[in-house]
Amino acid sequence: DAEITQSPRHKITETGRQVTLACHQTWNHNNMFWYRQDLGHGLRLIHYSYGVQDTNKGEVSDGYSVSRSNTEDLPLTLESAASSQTSVYFCASSEGTAGGELFFGEGSRLTVL
Amino acid sequence: AQSVTQPDIHITVSEGASLELRCNYSYGATPYLFWYVQSPGQGLQLLLKYFSGDTLVQGIKGFEAEFKRSQSSFNLRKPSVHWSDAAEYFCAVAPVSGNKLVFGAGTILRVKS
Repeated sequence: DAEITQSPRHKITETGRQVTLACHQTWNHNNMFWYRQDLGHGLRLIHYSYGVQDTNKGEVSDGYSVSRSNTEDLPLTLESAASSQTSVYFCASSEGTAGGELFFGEGSRLTVL
Repeated sequence: AQSVTQPDIHITVSEGASLELRCNYSYGATPYLFWYVQSPGQGLQLLLKYFSGDTLVQGIKGFEAEFKRSQSSFNLRKPSVHWSDAAEYFCAVAPVSGNKLVFGAGTILRVKS
């Protein structure tokens, strides 16, 4: 079955370190998204991609970057982790059609000390 | 800018009772509308979506939602709640021409026996 997987599922890091969260999907979807989930805020869009070599900033992109070198993967990098980036991160993918259903990974819980 | 409001942070209902979760959106035109559910420690799963046509939409797990243009609302309902429905529910909107979803803050549903 097609799926979307995130790794690591849990990570603890220190302020100032670089962190990369992996996202891999086997749906062959063009669209991929990274959200962060915080209590009281729901899910907020960090970055998204509509295809290989395409990346776009979302609502809360400061301090994050992504790259899309193939269809399957959209890694999220925190260049210099900050305590404010402690959160649960979700990767999602969808087909290219407008309004397509988002398929979510199980999330990566990041703690920045 | 588009936004989604879920006025209730927590709702507690008795098993077997009816349920209504509220969602209001702010957008220039009628967007695509979605309800997602998140079980503890899991990613989000699509319950139902509204694109156009019949304003009463049926979804999975016995849920339905009604789109009311005059009230900019898309409330989720279930006639009889089961203990397994305890989860967090998110309303989301997307522009008709695009794929980026904007999520509400979520409503946590507790079911008491």
